Amino acid sequence: QKEVEQDPGPLSVPEGAIVSLNCTYSNSAFQYFMWYRQYSRKGPELLMYTYSSGNKEDGRFTAQVDKSSKYISLFIRDSQPSDSATYLCAMKNDYKLSFGAGTTVTVRA
Amino acid sequence: EAQVTQNPRYLITVTGKKLTVTCSQNMNHEYMSWYRQDPGLGLRQIYYSMNVEVTDKGDVPEGYKVSRKEKRNFPLILESPSPNQTSLYFCATRLAGSFSSYNEQFFGPGTRLTVL
Repeated sequence: QKEVEQDPGPLSVPEGAIVSLNCTYSNSAFQYFMWYRQYSRKGPELLMYTYSSGNKEDGRFTAQVDKSSKYISLFIRDSQPSDSATYLCAMKNDYKLSFGAGTTVTVRA
Repeated sequence: EAQVTQNPRYLITVTGKKLTVTCSQNMNHEYMSWYRQDPGLGLRQIYYSMNVEVTDKGDVPEGYKVSRKEKRNFPLILESPSPNQTSLYFCATRLAGSFSSYNEQFFGPGTRLTVL
């Protein structure tokens, strides 16, 4: 079993829809939870990170962490074609980052 | 401009022909690492370095070597490449931080390697 599970999709939504992405994990020692965005032919870039359980909002993006269920989510409101990318969840334990497989999202104009 | 550079960006080679992928950063970061990205498997860490002359294995180190002689450079060496090393490779850097802290990791643009 992988430490971090993420549905690779792909996910296709119309412009303006809410995009919902999630990951589950098995290691209860993870403390920091991140979402990276990766555009085609580019390296991943940090989108958001949270520490421990709870919600964090940044503009149209909301990250949620539920440590009791070992489940994290990313919501994108009012999605735009420019949001089309692969979204990777990542989690930190000690000095190491563990990544999910990434979910490819396409927002149709 | 803060950046992580990788060279080459694309490489097609043949089995057994030694190659090196370079990585350089100008952010004075202590920590550097190499990942490979494969469909359905996500990013898997190959090797990492906490500082100059300090390197350690990641999750998938077999068939790879690294060195860290200077703080800014962290080359990835494939002594005898095989087709199963065909992949997209990323170099990443960040401040070293501590056990209980988080520092943003910055990725290079990637190197697409094909081994025939």
